[in-house]
Amino acid sequence: QSVLTQPPSASGTPGQRVTISCSGSSSNIGGNTVNWYQQVPGTAPRLLIYSNNQRPSGVPDRFSGSKSGTSASLAISGLQSEDEGDYYCAAWDDSLNGWVFGGGTKLTVL
Amino acid sequence: QVQLQQSGPGLVKPSQTLSVTCAISGDSVSSNTAAWNWIRQSPSRGLEWLGRTYHRSKWYSDYAVSVKSRININSDTSKNQFSLQLNSVTPEDTAVYYCARQQLDPWCFDYWGQGTLVTVSS
Repeated sequence: QSVLTQPPSASGTPGQRVTISCSGSSSNIGGNTVNWYQQVPGTAPRLLIYSNNQRPSGVPDRFSGSKSGTSASLAISGLQSEDEGDYYCAAWDDSLNGWVFGGGTKLTVL
Repeated sequence: QVQLQQSGPGLVKPSQTLSVTCAISGDSVSSNTAAWNWIRQSPSRGLEWLGRTYHRSKWYSDYAVSVKSRININSDTSKNQFSLQLNSVTPEDTAVYYCARQQLDPWCFDYWGQGTLVTVSS
């Protein structure tokens, strides 16, 4: 059971906008920044969003992040087939004194 | 460009010690602005942070509660690498093990190793 809660799956058609939620508590999301990772099967996770809403260079501006209280969201607009994969949220947890992850959301482009 | 190259055996017997090494290029294991982490991934446990080592005038290590009694992460400055040792393994420790760099600012894992599948089986 992951400390951060994500929906197991999400889907959309090309061009649509999808959002993925991540729910935590005051010891993690409530007090620290949230990062999002994208993982294509068979490869390592790739940093997608850091510090709640910042994109590393090379990440399209179709990807955006937000945080409110103890929850965070990842939004993908203009959905493309190459966006298929697994998405994970992560945050530092002050009570556990370590990093915690969401269980991951499998995104399918229909 | 930072690169993390992992190496280590893919098969470990139960009760033995799992060891994986992560060689760093493009940064230093002694950097005062980074921490060097181990994370594993399995279908049953998802992504699980195991621990990290970092240098801030002296060496520090933090470990996840779930493995604290069995884990050691150390660094080798002469080879610019760091290593994971997990003792007394069971089949539950079967997973893909990743090393990852964590920057102080921003506070995130920005570079990952390629992953090492370690199977615990007799």
